[in-house]
Amino acid sequence: AQSVAQPEDQVNVAEGNPLTVKCTYSVSGNPYLFWYVQYPNRGLQFLLKYITGDNLVKGSYGFEAEFNKSQTSFHLKKPSALVSDSALYFCAVKSAGNMLTFGGGTRLMVKP
Amino acid sequence: DAEITQSPRHKITETGRQVTLACHQTWNHNNMFWYRQDLGHGLRLIHYSYGVQDTNKGEVSDGYSVSRSNTEDLPLTLESAASSQTSVYFCASSEPPGDEQFFGPGTRLTVL
Repeated sequence: AQSVAQPEDQVNVAEGNPLTVKCTYSVSGNPYLFWYVQYPNRGLQFLLKYITGDNLVKGSYGFEAEFNKSQTSFHLKKPSALVSDSALYFCAVKSAGNMLTFGGGTRLMVKP
Repeated sequence: DAEITQSPRHKITETGRQVTLACHQTWNHNNMFWYRQDLGHGLRLIHYSYGVQDTNKGEVSDGYSVSRSNTEDLPLTLESAASSQTSVYFCASSEPPGDEQFFGPGTRLTVL
């Protein structure tokens, strides 16, 4: 069965510094991987996805993610964090049919 | 612009009452999903549908039902509300080949 792990409940970073939010996955076959962001009292917003091709995927709001097959990871990154990036981030993997299996989420806190 | 809407945004009800949460999407997507979000549990799939007249149970379907009579709508019904069903409910839709899901703004349900 497919699964996703986000090992950090919270990540703290100073504004202007690079940020990384970690995600590891377990799937049978080729993985379809996604990152979503959730701002307070809002639904999840799609950031980016990996299906095939380049291991570095670029997405919305300056975010990117690096797919590493040997480490079964799909970490979310941004070169310079903004206070407005503070939110809850979810990693997901496509599972049976057209469903997504979500990780538990990581709260990103960017301090001025 | 295409969108996915949910109503009501907030609902307070009493134990034992039947409650229906509405979800309407104008993406013309065949795939629709209902999730609940609780602290410590992330997103959990309740029911999903891959098209008109198709419905399937998810991870936490007990006490919930859905029906799909057209492409745009997937209402979620709580047959007899319980306090354990106090949660935030999200509806989502998707379409191959990308399979990224687009989420509604959520409904906060409180069962007293």
